[in-house]
Amino acid sequence: EAQVTQNPRYLITVTGKKLTVTCSQNMNHEYMSWYRQDPGLGLRQIYYSMNVEVTDKGDVPEGYKVSRKEKRNFPLILESPSPNQTSLYFCASSHLPPGLASKLGLQETQYFGPGTRLLVL
Amino acid sequence: QQQVKQSPQSLIVQKGGIPIINCAYENTAFDYFPWYQQFPGKGPALLIAIRPDVSEKKEGRFTISFNKSAKQFSLHIMDSQPGDSATYFCAASTNTGFQKLVFGTGTRLLVSP
Repeated sequence: EAQVTQNPRYLITVTGKKLTVTCSQNMNHEYMSWYRQDPGLGLRQIYYSMNVEVTDKGDVPEGYKVSRKEKRNFPLILESPSPNQTSLYFCASSHLPPGLASKLGLQETQYFGPGTRLLVL
Repeated sequence: QQQVKQSPQSLIVQKGGIPIINCAYENTAFDYFPWYQQFPGKGPALLIAIRPDVSEKKEGRFTISFNKSAKQFSLHIMDSQPGDSATYFCAASTNTGFQKLVFGTGTRLLVSP
């Protein structure tokens, strides 16, 4: 079954305590990304990765780090979490960046993980 | 600054009705406009998408209407069902460099039985 998994699903932590949210996909997708979802703001992209060792900032990268050492994994790292990083986080993957597949006449496929709800006290 | 403005914030329709969700954008470089459906406790799921070279796209009961001159696009759900109750997000991306998706703020749809 094609899927994107995230762990943990729920996390309560305290300010400054480093944490990592893992993301793994089993579809051999090149493109992976992280989003945060906040009420009234929709989803905002944090970081994305075109392939192994290729990552770039999204719209809200401050306070986050990522790595892409293996194609299937794309962990999100909060080195020193703060309360304003309390949010619902989603990882997503696709073969190509969103929109490029349809431009090439291919079917768009994009899968989101189930989400990680983070509370930083 | 919201690059994609979505309305309404919430919507209630009766079963069989046709809810319409609207989105507007400013960046004329956007060339890919997807819609996502999200059920409570789940991640978003790609529902339907359109490129600006067509004015309408249908997939089952879901239709996207696209107005390039007005820089607006909308989602219509024909013969809506209670199972369509979810939050819907529009989004947009450009094809220059590495694409990034920009999302609207979401519309919570409730279809009453």
